[in-house]
Amino acid sequence: GAGVSQTPSNKVTEKGKYVELRCDPISGHTALYWYRQSLGQGPEFLIYFQGTGAADDSGLPNDRFFAVRPEGSVSTLKIQRTERGDSAVYLCATQPLGLNTEAFFGQGTRLTVV
Amino acid sequence: GQQLNQSPQSMFIQEGEDVSMNCTSSSIFNTWLWYKQDPGEGPVLLIALYKAGELTSNGRLTAQFGITRKDSFLNISASIPSDVGIYFCAGQDVAARQLTFGSGTQLTVLP
Repeated sequence: GAGVSQTPSNKVTEKGKYVELRCDPISGHTALYWYRQSLGQGPEFLIYFQGTGAADDSGLPNDRFFAVRPEGSVSTLKIQRTERGDSAVYLCATQPLGLNTEAFFGQGTRLTVV
Repeated sequence: GQQLNQSPQSMFIQEGEDVSMNCTSSSIFNTWLWYKQDPGEGPVLLIALYKAGELTSNGRLTAQFGITRKDSFLNISASIPSDVGIYFCAGQDVAARQLTFGSGTQLTVLP
């Protein structure tokens, strides 16, 4: 498809398990962002990639969270030793180069830690 | 993390009425954006504002970038049922690139 694709759309995992969330960007978009959205809140920034490198990971809450984008396209958000407080919708957004360009969001992955 | 102050938190209006919502920030932003999010979907951009004082329209939607660069408002005129959803403001700093979002305004349009 032409939009940002996130898989899976829903993930239920047990506390303490490891999870990976995937984001397939719009072709040609060099900037990629991960956000986390808790119920009743706006999205909160986690990490930003420009190409392959993490340009800003200041939003990652702790060292259990890690993200990669090895070829500058698909990105994976990895969460180790999941906790119930990690339950949220994880959103990916991608954006082309240039000023005044729009970031397009995927539909998100709803993560539930039980 | 930081979020913008968005109000009101929720609104119930009659179909055909106008509605207004606003956002304020303690920080200056170079870009203000307004998004709409439907259940199970990601936010979709409605209006982008790139210049302080700018007033921009998109159909029945009008938004303004505050002159201090610390606030913005969104107006929706002649509301219709499909306007139902959650509206978010977001600020973007050119240097930081990521968006800072408000906590959202839940809009309900009554027939």
